[in-house]
Amino acid sequence: QVQLVQSGAEVKEPGASLKVSCKASGYTFNKYAIHWVRQAPGQRLEWMGWIDAGNGKTKYSQKFQGRVTITRDTSANTAYVEVSSLISEDTVVYYCARGQWTSGNYYFDYWGQGTLVTVSS
Amino acid sequence: DIQMTQSPSTLSASVGDRVTITCRASQSISSWLAWYQQKPEKAPKLLIYKASSLESGVPSRFSGSGSGTEFTLTISSLQPEDFATYYCQQYSSYPYTFGQGTNLEIQ
Repeated sequence: QVQLVQSGAEVKEPGASLKVSCKASGYTFNKYAIHWVRQAPGQRLEWMGWIDAGNGKTKYSQKFQGRVTITRDTSANTAYVEVSSLISEDTVVYYCARGQWTSGNYYFDYWGQGTLVTVSS
Repeated sequence: DIQMTQSPSTLSASVGDRVTITCRASQSISSWLAWYQQKPEKAPKLLIYKASSLESGVPSRFSGSGSGTEFTLTISSLQPEDFATYYCQQYSSYPYTFGQGTNLEIQ
């Protein structure tokens, strides 16, 4: 069965960087995209960007361009999101999700369990 | 960015009720709309994609309709496990955006 398993919760200081992993199993990793979505407490979901796990192509929300980097390691069936220059508003849950491609667009059919990141001094 | 607005934000209902949640897009998204269910401290779960296609394994009491800018999610007969928050999401253009959520609570 398809599973996306994320790395554990983290506490970071303002200004630091963060890297969250998402390990995929149960399907051919390089045949799908991985998207990253975040959610602040009590807030709506917010799409950050995606990576084509096959060719490594990425696309980012303009809001996060320059501060977020999405990568993948095909040998480990794992995708990563890295966020730099953390601020308190980056205290959110990060989710990875598998992108299901349809006619040029993606919806998200499987999700990781989420990784809570707390930014605090 | 395309704005997604759901109504109502909170919905109180009872087991067995039929409920409908509405999602409006700020511009046409054709049928590029998905619905997700999220329970507290859990990841979202896909229910509906392409506005009206039921994801495999999702009970048939869930249905979606609409196109363009107005969409609905209907649950035909609420079950205890359906009390959760529901989000719509457009995937017509970047950045993909979500509605603010509808909290479906037990009356």
